[in-house]
Amino acid sequence: EAGVTQFPSHSVIEKGQTVTLRCDPISGHDNLYWYRRVMGKEIKFLLHFVKESKQDESGMPNNRFLAERTGGTYSTLKVQPAELEDSGVYFCASSQFQGSSGNTIYFGEGSWLTVV
Amino acid sequence: AQRVTQPEKLLSVFKGAPVELKCNYSYSGSPELFWYVQYSRQRLQLLLRHISRESIKGFTADLNKGETSFHLKKPFAQEEDSAMYYCALSPSGAGSYQLTFGKGTKLSVIP
Repeated sequence: EAGVTQFPSHSVIEKGQTVTLRCDPISGHDNLYWYRRVMGKEIKFLLHFVKESKQDESGMPNNRFLAERTGGTYSTLKVQPAELEDSGVYFCASSQFQGSSGNTIYFGEGSWLTVV
Repeated sequence: AQRVTQPEKLLSVFKGAPVELKCNYSYSGSPELFWYVQYSRQRLQLLLRHISRESIKGFTADLNKGETSFHLKKPFAQEEDSAMYYCALSPSGAGSYQLTFGKGTKLSVIP
């Protein structure tokens, strides 16, 4: 079974440019999550999709970040315009069910973003 | 606000020695606690959760609500245990599966 896949694995962009990260969840997983870890900080929750709907986007840092999941399959996370403090690792994860009880969340390998 | 604290950034132990990775949390409700592990060049994966009360790869963790701790223990460390370990918390029950992570502890097992 294929796991959560993310693309690109690494990206280096200049400040002010736009980057789009893509995540393909495990087939059949309605729940998709984005997390990120910036340098020296904890892995932090960004948002949660249930199918194509945003269930919880309380972790999105500001309006330069836009996440979409059209059709309820893959998701994209766009950063526009990118700032230096956006550098870090962006993790995507998916799960079959909502909530944590009896549920397992599977992570992708992460997309490393460097803004210079 | 919920918070997870892992006081050690790096922990080095000799092979065969006991290991204890510390985790403390703060949360007003009844949380679910997890340990995640990331081996070199691999993805973050669930190691164990407190509600399962199971031992995975020789590791155990007991939730101590009085001390708000969820320390990860293994009696005899192996070289393959070298990895990054993250303690995480989630509100229990249905709803958003929003994990709050600690900063992680890098475990290095010396041969």
